[in-house]
Amino acid sequence: DAMVIQNPRYQVTQFGKPVTLSCSQTLNHNVMYWYQQKSSQAPKLLFHYYDKDFNNEADTPDNFQSRRPNTSFCFLDIRSPGLGDAAMYLCATSRAGGNQPQHFGDGTRLSIL
Amino acid sequence: QKEVEQNSGPLSVPEGAIASLNCTYSDRGSQSFFWYRQYSGKSPELIMFIYSNGDKEDGRFTAQLNKASQYVSLLIRDSQPSDSATYLCAVRLTDSWGKLQFGAGTQVVVTP
Repeated sequence: DAMVIQNPRYQVTQFGKPVTLSCSQTLNHNVMYWYQQKSSQAPKLLFHYYDKDFNNEADTPDNFQSRRPNTSFCFLDIRSPGLGDAAMYLCATSRAGGNQPQHFGDGTRLSIL
Repeated sequence: QKEVEQNSGPLSVPEGAIASLNCTYSDRGSQSFFWYRQYSGKSPELIMFIYSNGDKEDGRFTAQLNKASQYVSLLIRDSQPSDSATYLCAVRLTDSWGKLQFGAGTQVVVTP
């Protein structure tokens, strides 16, 4: 089945130690998104790629970076994780176009020690 | 800051009854609206989308949209314990490339 796959499902890292989360998709969607979601809160968009064009949200901390080496893969890099970065990180994809829904992967739960 | 507001709940619904969830939004020009279901510790799953005023039915789910009142709702008929989850309302904003603004969700608890 076509899908959005995130790895790992659970990630534990130390305070200040860089971490990379990955997302891959077989839907051939040209838009990929990264969200951060904390408990009982709405998903918060960090950035998105429209094909190779990177779009950063104004309030996304500089600590968060992203790479999209090809259509299928997208990575979220957290350069120096702080305790406040513990959250669920969600990858989503969609076709371009205003009415296209976003489809989410299973998420990565990040814990900071 | 464009807002999407939902009652956080929990909304307690007896099994077999109708659950009614409401969502209001501030971006008057929004045209596309989505409902996602999110089980505890899981990711959001798309269950409905609606673009036109009126009702849209899909199985036990009905989405209702009133753009004049800036209001979208979700009805779940014949509620089952498996419907117990948080339901997120998402609105596509008009002043950007089409960003989705999510509400914080309404928690639904279906009691046997």
